[in-house]
Amino acid sequence: KAGVTQTPRYLIKTRGQQVTLSCSPISGHRSVSWYQQTPGQGLQFLFEYFSETQRNKGNFPGRFSGRQFSNSRSEMNVSTLELGDSALYLCASSTQLDVNSPLHFGNGTRLTVT
Amino acid sequence: GENVEQHPSTLSVQEGDSAVIKCTYSDSASNYFPWYKQELGKRPQLIIDIRSNVGEKKDQRIAVTLNKTAKHFSLHITETQPEDSAVYFCAAFMNTGFQKLVFGTGTRLLVSP
Repeated sequence: KAGVTQTPRYLIKTRGQQVTLSCSPISGHRSVSWYQQTPGQGLQFLFEYFSETQRNKGNFPGRFSGRQFSNSRSEMNVSTLELGDSALYLCASSTQLDVNSPLHFGNGTRLTVT
Repeated sequence: GENVEQHPSTLSVQEGDSAVIKCTYSDSASNYFPWYKQELGKRPQLIIDIRSNVGEKKDQRIAVTLNKTAKHFSLHITETQPEDSAVYFCAAFMNTGFQKLVFGTGTRLLVSP
C-alpha cells in the first residue's frame, strides 16, 4: 500500500497570504489528523476528520481550517499567515481514531512564512 | 487538562548502553500509548505501542512498560546502536472530551559509537 502523501513538500509564503496543504491518506483509512510540529512545541494537534466530518479540534485560532472529501483526502487551510505559522505540518491517517488504530504519518509540508 | 510530559529532553549514550525515556499523562481514562521515532528530516514512525490491559510489551531491543496507577509509561532500548539516534515521541490517547492523540515534547537520543 502507498503511504500517506502530502503535497507540497515545501512552501514559502508571505505574511498575510493564505495557504492550502493537501493530504492523501493510506487507502482504506477514513480518519485524517493534522499536526503542527515546531522545535519548541513538539507535535500540536490541529484537527481530525472522519468521513468528511470534523470530530476533534485542537487549540488553534480560526485561521486554521480543514476539510475532508468523500475519498478521504483532506486539505488544511491557513489564512492571514503569521511568522509564527512557520512549521512542519504533518498529516496522519488511521482506519479510525480509537485504541485499535495507530496513526501513520506523511512526510509533511514545511511551511516558511516570511 | 490534557497533557503528556516527557523526560529527558536529550539523552546521550554510548553504543551498547541502554536508554530509558519516561512519560506521564494526565487523563486517567487514557488507554492507548504509542511511541514514535523521528529521524532527521523524516516523518514520525510508530515503533511500538501498548494498551492499558497489559503492563509490558517487547519487540526485540525495544520494550515499553505501563503503570496505570501512577499514570506513567516508559520506553526502554537495550544494546543501543548509532542508527537508534533520533527524536522519540511518546503519546497518549485522550478520552477527555474529544478523543485525540496527545504527544510528549520529544527526546533527542544520541548514540555515540
